[in-house]
Amino acid sequence: DVKVTQSSRYLVKRTGEKVFLECVQDMDHENMFWYRQDPGLGLRLIYFSYDVKMKEKGDIPEGYSVSREKKERFSLILESASTNQTSMYLCASSSPGGPNEKLFFGSGTQLSVL
Amino acid sequence: SQQGEEDPQALSIQEGENATMNCSYKTSINNLQWYRQNSGRGLVHLILIRSNEREKHSGRLRVTLDTSKKSSSLLITASRAADTASYFCATEDSNYQLIWGAGTKLIIKP
Repeated sequence: DVKVTQSSRYLVKRTGEKVFLECVQDMDHENMFWYRQDPGLGLRLIYFSYDVKMKEKGDIPEGYSVSREKKERFSLILESASTNQTSMYLCASSSPGGPNEKLFFGSGTQLSVL
Repeated sequence: SQQGEEDPQALSIQEGENATMNCSYKTSINNLQWYRQNSGRGLVHLILIRSNEREKHSGRLRVTLDTSKKSSSLLITASRAADTASYFCATEDSNYQLIWGAGTKLIIKP
């Protein structure tokens, strides 16, 4: 089975800190995604990547950046964390057959920015 | 924009009963997927139905798609306590964007 591992389940940071959220998948998937999930809003796409070194903005990229130096690893960076970035962050990957089909998700990182 | 909208927002039924939840969308789609999310965890893919399909089954799950009404339903038969979770639909539109609904919270009472 595909495993998508997010480095932290819970994270508490201070306003203005730089925050790194790491995601690793073990199935050689080309496609990787970062979402944030807020109550009542469903999932919103922050960034995605279809290949190493490649990144594309999603619907809400402001305040975030990403890095994909290796195929299996996709990192989300909050350059200067703010309280409105308190949320559940979900990483996902998918196979090349259909990038939006059958996403495999990590367990999520609940980030609190104080 | 939120295309997929699940209905109801919350559903509570007795174990053994069938659970039905619906998803409506606004634009034409390539496919529609259903995912399950247990409390505080990631999402798990359940089933995908393409725009040219009308019904699909997977174990106790049955999904229908009515493109004329722009809606889909997910039926879980003979519900179990382990089915307690939130269920999300996601539609891929003609621009290959994946759009998520806000979810239906299902509670199975023992």
